[in-house]
Amino acid sequence: DIQMTQSPSSLSASVGDRVTITCRASQGISNYLAWFQQKPGKAPKSLIYAASSLQSGVPSKFSGSGSGTDFTLTISSLQPEDFATYYCQQYNNYPWTFGQGTKVEIK
Amino acid sequence: QVQLQESGPGLVKPSQTLSLTCTVFGGSISGGAYYWSWIRQHPDKGLEFIGYIYNSETTYYNPSLKSRVTMSVDTSKNQFSLKLSSMTAADTAVYYCVRGTPIIVLDYWGQGTLVTVSS
Repeated sequence: DIQMTQSPSSLSASVGDRVTITCRASQGISNYLAWFQQKPGKAPKSLIYAASSLQSGVPSKFSGSGSGTDFTLTISSLQPEDFATYYCQQYNNYPWTFGQGTKVEIK
Repeated sequence: QVQLQESGPGLVKPSQTLSLTCTVFGGSISGGAYYWSWIRQHPDKGLEFIGYIYNSETTYYNPSLKSRVTMSVDTSKNQFSLKLSSMTAADTAVYYCVRGTPIIVLDYWGQGTLVTVSS
């Protein structure tokens, strides 16, 4: 299985901060990478697909980049509704696998 | 807007078979090339892909669960289902049903249902 490793596992940030989360795949996955946001007690929500394509309805403060093994999710200006856990997921190889999550907390 | 809703028992005894159903609202389960997937999340843990049924007939199961998983589609009820046999405490998790496409493989998610394995 392809291992997806996110860093950091958690971070504290303030409203208005620019936040970057990294996801590394244990082998190349081209651009078959998605990002999800999950709030407590809720289902994950699709943010980004194909590494950098914004899901319909997702605000442009979210952006994704990368290809191969290294990817990033950036939130340009953190807002109160963005405090959540973020997951990356690869779908280049079976089985599809997820990163362990990055919890974004209020500083 | 497509919506998915899981249903099934919240409590299962060890060694029993879990049966979950996902009802699709706002779209036909047989209309289009969709992945109908199941994902689970152990308490306070990450996400695990269980498998999918694609285009109502092709299945893929995670090898870690393959020997215990069966998925199917009931087009007459606009539902798809998951059966997981020989349940143990390690299968206690929130189970999500998800619709996807070849471009966005995990797009619309159900709200999830907690399944606890306990005698």
